[in-house]
Amino acid sequence: DTGVSQDPRHKITKRGQNVTFRCDPISEHNRLYWYRQTLGQGPEFLTYFQNEAQLEKSRLLSDRFSAERPKGSFSTLEIQRTEQGDSAMYLCASSLGGREEQYFGPGTRLTVT
Amino acid sequence: AQSVAQPEDQVNVAEGNPLTVKCTYSVSGNPYLFWYVQYPNRGLQFLLKYITGDNLVKGSYGFEAEFNKSQTSFHLKKPSALVSDSALYFCAVRDFSGSNSGYALNFGKGTSLLVTP
Repeated sequence: DTGVSQDPRHKITKRGQNVTFRCDPISEHNRLYWYRQTLGQGPEFLTYFQNEAQLEKSRLLSDRFSAERPKGSFSTLEIQRTEQGDSAMYLCASSLGGREEQYFGPGTRLTVT
Repeated sequence: AQSVAQPEDQVNVAEGNPLTVKCTYSVSGNPYLFWYVQYPNRGLQFLLKYITGDNLVKGSYGFEAEFNKSQTSFHLKKPSALVSDSALYFCAVRDFSGSNSGYALNFGKGTSLLVTP
């Protein structure tokens, strides 16, 4: 499967713990995006990378959130001091420059207890 | 901000009948519009997009969408629904507002499509 992959698929953590998610985009895609989706809502944009540069961050991305894409390939999203409100599905997507459509991974479902 | 609205939480249609899932948009300038489908426990799958050109856009799995500038709508359609089309459908628009790069997508809340045999 050459689609976008995300790991882990599910994560249960206790409030106050740190968590890190990984996204591997489609190999030739230079753009990578993170979204968050809660039940009954559409995905909400968090941040966007072009190659290794983080070019845009949503106001949803609080100081507890950090994302990296160190070599312009895979990306990580870290949430520090998790809160119950962080419980959501975290989606990663990638796209190829010059093409508008984004391709999504299966998501990481985070549950904060 | 650029936004889309999906006025129906759920659409029910009998198998073999035509289906329409509605989407309206609010943007300044020319909209870049998309439809995605989400099956249970799976990520979003791209169906089709409108950037420019013909108002009728054809996409995957027999879906099409009609861009209507005067009505600011981008409704998703299929001539003959299948039970396997039952899923959650999202309309989205690229966000060029403010200082945004324009690569983020703003999604609607989604419409649940149920096709009954």
